[in-house]
Amino acid sequence: EPEVTQTPSHQVTQMGQEVILRCVPISNHLYFYWYRQILGQKVEFLVSFYNNEISEKSEIFDDQFSVERPDGSNFTLKIRSTKLEDSAMYFCASHISWADTGNTIYFGEGSWLTVV
Amino acid sequence: GDSVTQMEGPVTLSEEAFLTINCTYTATGYPSLFWYVQYPGEGLQLLLKATKADDKGSNKGFEATYRKETTSFHLEKGSVQVSDSAVYFCALRDNNNDMRFGAGTRLTVKP
Repeated sequence: EPEVTQTPSHQVTQMGQEVILRCVPISNHLYFYWYRQILGQKVEFLVSFYNNEISEKSEIFDDQFSVERPDGSNFTLKIRSTKLEDSAMYFCASHISWADTGNTIYFGEGSWLTVV
Repeated sequence: GDSVTQMEGPVTLSEEAFLTINCTYTATGYPSLFWYVQYPGEGLQLLLKATKADDKGSNKGFEATYRKETTSFHLEKGSVQVSDSAVYFCALRDNNNDMRFGAGTRLTVKP
């Protein structure tokens, strides 16, 4: 079973520091996503990425967030200056094709970010 | 915009009880519908899905039927086990291919 992998699984960082969360999507997938889940709350969409550019982003995804696909395999989420309220589980996801809306989106196991 | 509403938890059941977790959706197009499960300490895993009206998704004894007339996708299982204890998320994928999740329902099954 192919899988999306994320690193680190858990990171503790000081407020104001920059954080990079890394994801390796499934190799033949074309669409990539970041979601977050604040403890005890719903899973929220952050951003979608296709063809090396952002295709959609939510109001949560402000100027302190950025995404990048620096090579053929990694997909990163950068938070420039972390705030306490950025503490959450961040999920990376990918899927293969836009044409078939039934295609499954595969999620990674998440990166738990704690800002102190 | 498109959205999903699912019943609030937590839900506590005894082993072998019948489970229903309600989910309704609002969408302008024809979304695909999903149930994801999150076991303690783990990420989201796809449980089942349905891509068009009247489709039934099923997996591990869980079922859900895509009902366009009632805009619902209720999750059911005839006999739950302790190992089913988890948080269950109803979700839809809209015409932009973005997933919209419900708030999640925590299920605890007691022996």
